[in-house]
Amino acid sequence: GENVEQHPSTLSVQEGDSAVIKCTYSDSASNYFPWYKQELGKRPQLIIDIRSNVGEKKDQRIAVTLNKTAKHFSLHITETQPEDSAVYFCAATPSSGGSYIPTFGRGTSLIVHP
Amino acid sequence: DSGVTQTPKHLITATGQRVTLRCSPRSGDLSVYWYQQSLDQGLQFLIHYYNGEERAKGNILERFSAQQFPDLHSELNLSSLELGDSALYFCASSVEGRPNEQFFGPGTRLTVL
Repeated sequence: GENVEQHPSTLSVQEGDSAVIKCTYSDSASNYFPWYKQELGKRPQLIIDIRSNVGEKKDQRIAVTLNKTAKHFSLHITETQPEDSAVYFCAATPSSGGSYIPTFGRGTSLIVHP
Repeated sequence: DSGVTQTPKHLITATGQRVTLRCSPRSGDLSVYWYQQSLDQGLQFLIHYYNGEERAKGNILERFSAQQFPDLHSELNLSSLELGDSALYFCASSVEGRPNEQFFGPGTRLTVL
């Protein structure tokens, strides 16, 4: 089955700095890569995603890159703000038999210091 | 607010007991996914239903079962509860035609004492 590794487990930055979270996956059949943000005690929220036919996608201060050959993808947050503090999860999703089941990384706790 | 609802928000029970968690997907979504989130295991997929039919099973214990009803709400039944079953249980639904994009409910926090 799919295996997703996520690094780092904790990331501490100063407000205004950039933050980068990296994930690797194992199953070459994975073709959809969402990123979720989860604040303490809240639900995971989809913040950005990328499909295998795209190398990069940007949405305001957030960008995601994908290298299919190397099987890794990354989340980039620029000009970080204290409200960006949360746990971020990457996931890799293959499509098989009509069921699209993501395998999640273990999460990165991002702390943005004012 | 994702539009996915879950009840109850919190549940405290004892070992050996049985509980039922309820999820209603967003209007129009036919798929419901159940996940367990614990500190040591992270976010783990349990089971997927589509329009009343089971589509995929993940790391779901035999003590756990689920179903999706004709009105598309889903229930997750957990029996013979153990301390290790304490976790956050999320359901998610996905947009018809875009099954990759899942929207999570607020979760049910289960505490087994």
